[in-house]
Amino acid sequence: ELKVEQNPLFLSMQEGKNYTIYCNYSTTSDRLYWYRQDPGKSLESLFVLLSNGAVKQEGRLMASLDTKARLSTLHITAAVHDLSATYFCAVDRAYGGATNKLIFGTGTLLAVQP
Amino acid sequence: DGGITQSPKYLFRKEGQNVTLSCEQNLNHDAMYWYRQDPGQGLRLIYYSQIVNDFQKGDIAEGYSVSREKKESFPLTVTSAQKNPTAFYLCASSIWASRPGDYTFGSGTRLTVV
Repeated sequence: ELKVEQNPLFLSMQEGKNYTIYCNYSTTSDRLYWYRQDPGKSLESLFVLLSNGAVKQEGRLMASLDTKARLSTLHITAAVHDLSATYFCAVDRAYGGATNKLIFGTGTLLAVQP
Repeated sequence: DGGITQSPKYLFRKEGQNVTLSCEQNLNHDAMYWYRQDPGQGLRLIYYSQIVNDFQKGDIAEGYSVSREKKESFPLTVTSAQKNPTAFYLCASSIWASRPGDYTFGSGTRLTVV
């Protein structure tokens, strides 16, 4: 059974600081997704990582994928308050056939303090 | 503009009542999915559908039912057998079930038992 674990579950950080969120998954997958969710809202797609060694950056966020270690990281550089949200990683899983299903981690609640 | 529309945004259910959540997409996507999100937790897969007139159970299907009579529509019924239905429900779709790619999410329905 595919499991996806994130840590930390909660992260309080000061503006201007750097930090990393980790996402581990239990079975082979070459596709990893990062999403952002604001309170009471739907999911916003941030990154799709499709191969080992993939690195993508958007603004103060950078995501990477190591399929051999089954690990993805989301690095936050010089955090600002607007980054406060819950961040989810998710992995595709074949569900008894060719169909791929997104399996989500538990999420990391990020609170950026002034 | 193409997208996924979920309705209603808020729904209240009385004990023992069945309720149906609507999900419509005009993206011409083949696959559609229903997820449940409890406060402070990740998303769990309820049901998914690859093609019209076919659907499969996800990880937490008990107490729920779905239909896929049209490609555009994937309604979810929360039955009285679901003992703890209060949650945030998200519908999603993807372009082709067996390919990696973007998942598009609806804006969600918040269901509360009264």
